[in-house]
Amino acid sequence: GQQLNQSPQSMFIQEGEDVSMNCTSSSIFNTWLWYKQDPGEGPVLLIALYKAGELTSNGRLTAQFGITRKDSFLNISASIPSDVGIYFCAGPSWHYGGSQGNLIFGKGTKLSVKP
Amino acid sequence: DADVTQTPRNRITKTGKRIMLECSQTKGHDRMYWYRQDPGLGLRLIYYSFDVKDINKGEISDGYSVSRQAQAKFSLSLESAIPNQTALYFCATSDGGMGLASSYNEQFFGPGTRLTVL
Repeated sequence: GQQLNQSPQSMFIQEGEDVSMNCTSSSIFNTWLWYKQDPGEGPVLLIALYKAGELTSNGRLTAQFGITRKDSFLNISASIPSDVGIYFCAGPSWHYGGSQGNLIFGKGTKLSVKP
Repeated sequence: DADVTQTPRNRITKTGKRIMLECSQTKGHDRMYWYRQDPGLGLRLIYYSFDVKDINKGEISDGYSVSRQAQAKFSLSLESAIPNQTALYFCATSDGGMGLASSYNEQFFGPGTRLTVL
C-alpha cells in the first residue's frame, strides 16, 4: 500500500544551522503537504505543494515538490530554538475512495536542539 | 479562540470503560476526521466524515465508533477501552468545497486528547 518514508527520523540542530529533510514514496503524489507539531499540540500546516517542480517558501522554510512526483523536500534556513518539533509530510491517500482528499502521513522527522 | 477544539484534553480511564472524545469546529468546514498518534508511527486515520450524513472507516477503525451530530461536531467513542488504545487522538477538518485540491487536502487539527487506558 501507500507509504511515505521520511528521512532522517531525528536530528539535532544548533542555532543558525540550515536543516534539510525529505519524504519519499513508491507511489506518485499530486499533492505534498508539510506539517509541524509542537510538543503537546496538534500538527499545523506549513506548506502545501500542488505542482511537480514547485518550490514554495514560508519565511525561513522552503519546500519542493520533486520532479518525479515521488518525493518532496523541506529546508529550514538559519534554525532557531522554536524550530524544534516534529515535521510530518503528508499526501492524498487513494485508498479511501479516490479523489476525496484523505491524507496519509509520514512518521515524522524530530528536530531537537543540540546539547 | 481556537477554530478546532477537543474535549477532554487529557483522560485516564480503566479497561472496559466507555469513553467519548468530542470535537467542535468553527471553521464552517464540511469534512471532519479522527486520527490516532502513537510514538514513531505518525498519524493514522480512524474515521472520517464528509458531511453530516456521511461516515466512513479509516485505516484503524476497529474498536472505535463515531457520530457526526452536526456540521460542527464529530465525536469518537471507544465502546470498551483497552490498554493498546492509549494514544494521542486528534480531530481535523477540511473544507472540501469548490472541488479545489487545496480545500480538501489542507487539514486543520485540534490540540489533541491524550488518552490513557489502564
